[in-house]
Amino acid sequence: DSGVTQTPKHLITATGQRVTLRCSPRSGDLSVYWYQQSLDQGLQFLIQYYNGEERAKGNILERFSAQQFPDLHSELNLSSLELGDSALYFCASNPGQIYNEQFFGPGTRLTVL
Amino acid sequence: AQKITQTQPGMFVQEKEAVTLDCTYDTSDQSYGLFWYKQPSSGEMIFLIYQGSYDEQNATEGRYSLNFQKARKSANLVISASQLGDSAMYFCAMRRAPSNTGKLIFGQGTTLQVKP
Repeated sequence: DSGVTQTPKHLITATGQRVTLRCSPRSGDLSVYWYQQSLDQGLQFLIQYYNGEERAKGNILERFSAQQFPDLHSELNLSSLELGDSALYFCASNPGQIYNEQFFGPGTRLTVL
Repeated sequence: AQKITQTQPGMFVQEKEAVTLDCTYDTSDQSYGLFWYKQPSSGEMIFLIYQGSYDEQNATEGRYSLNFQKARKSANLVISASQLGDSAMYFCAMRRAPSNTGKLIFGQGTTLQVKP
């Protein structure tokens, strides 16, 4: 158990809908990272937050957004969902800055029908 | 741009034997970090080992070692004495270091199957 929690574990929804994925980092970790794992694209970095501020952005679609709250949990919002958004979404955390290892949560498996 | 290449989609190894999973990388940075993660069929990502670009010695963590050849830009993972529980997908990844952004760039992964 990495100490990172993600809810829900599974999510099934329809095209055009909007969903919110939640991540609670390890206690004390200031950095949160979101990754998407799909068969087509592999594991891709989406976005990073550090202590409430956006720190880096990857190949995140405009339909996707994220935020990190004062209690350091983070949410990834996916809207106008398409079939291709079906994937495993990981959240990872670490103390931030130059810390090396990232601790991954169990992931949320999103299925868009 | 940084890139990680894992050329072996799938590998087989006999239980108790050693296996090497290949990883090559491309970067123009002088300072960077290299990682290996394991993803079992249950889906979670498990950190295995880290190598910094300025580390002179190859990293080792138990049965895992990283064969780091900087001039060749390779960071192969060696698993000694394979166990059935080692059957999983293995990802090589890179990040700039030190950096305020710790985003990881992943390779496509190698599926390892350990035969009894």
